[in-house]
Amino acid sequence: DGGITQSPKYLFRKEGQNVTLSCEQNLNHDAMYWYRQDPGQGLRLIYYSQIVNDFQKGDIAEGYSVSREKKESFPLTVTSAQKNPTAFYLCASTRQIRANMNTEAFFGQGTRLTVV
Amino acid sequence: AQSVTQLDSHVSVSEGTPVLLRCNYSSSYSPSLFWYVQHPNKGLQLLLKYTSAATLVKGINGFEAEFKKSETSFHLTKPSAHMSDAAEYFCVVSDREGDMRFGAGTRLTVKP
Repeated sequence: DGGITQSPKYLFRKEGQNVTLSCEQNLNHDAMYWYRQDPGQGLRLIYYSQIVNDFQKGDIAEGYSVSREKKESFPLTVTSAQKNPTAFYLCASTRQIRANMNTEAFFGQGTRLTVV
Repeated sequence: AQSVTQLDSHVSVSEGTPVLLRCNYSSSYSPSLFWYVQHPNKGLQLLLKYTSAATLVKGINGFEAEFKKSETSFHLTKPSAHMSDAAEYFCVVSDREGDMRFGAGTRLTVKP
């Protein structure tokens, strides 16, 4: 079955440590996205990528980094520079229907990161 | 950059009465617009989408939305609320810039 897999589901990190969240899709989707969800703030865009080896900052990229070396993979690293990393992180992907138009998003199950 | 504003953070209706959740967007291009619903401790589910075809879009569970370019709006409506509609609703915009942005969400409460 096609889908998006995020791992791990729960992650604990000590302050000052970097941590990488995994996101893999086998939908052959072109675009992938990372969001952070906090209560009352909806989903805020961290980074997105339309094609391999290219990605753009979203609204809250500071303290985060990404890579897109393969079409199916878009890992997110939460660095020690992120001041408030405890949150729920969602990965999504979309398929390009034609130029300038993507399908609705498919989402992973999310990773809940807690800094201890 | 594109953006989405959901005009109400919380809407409360009685069961059987109409639902209106408001969404305004900003985009330099012809956007695609979506509404998603998230029930407590559940994932996001697509309700409906607008991708430049008919401006009145019908979705699941009796919801519909109308794309109004002149008003830059994409409000979500339902004629009669059901208790099971209580959830968080998100309006989403996507365009040729390639990003996809969510509104802050509207929490819908349905009173018996």
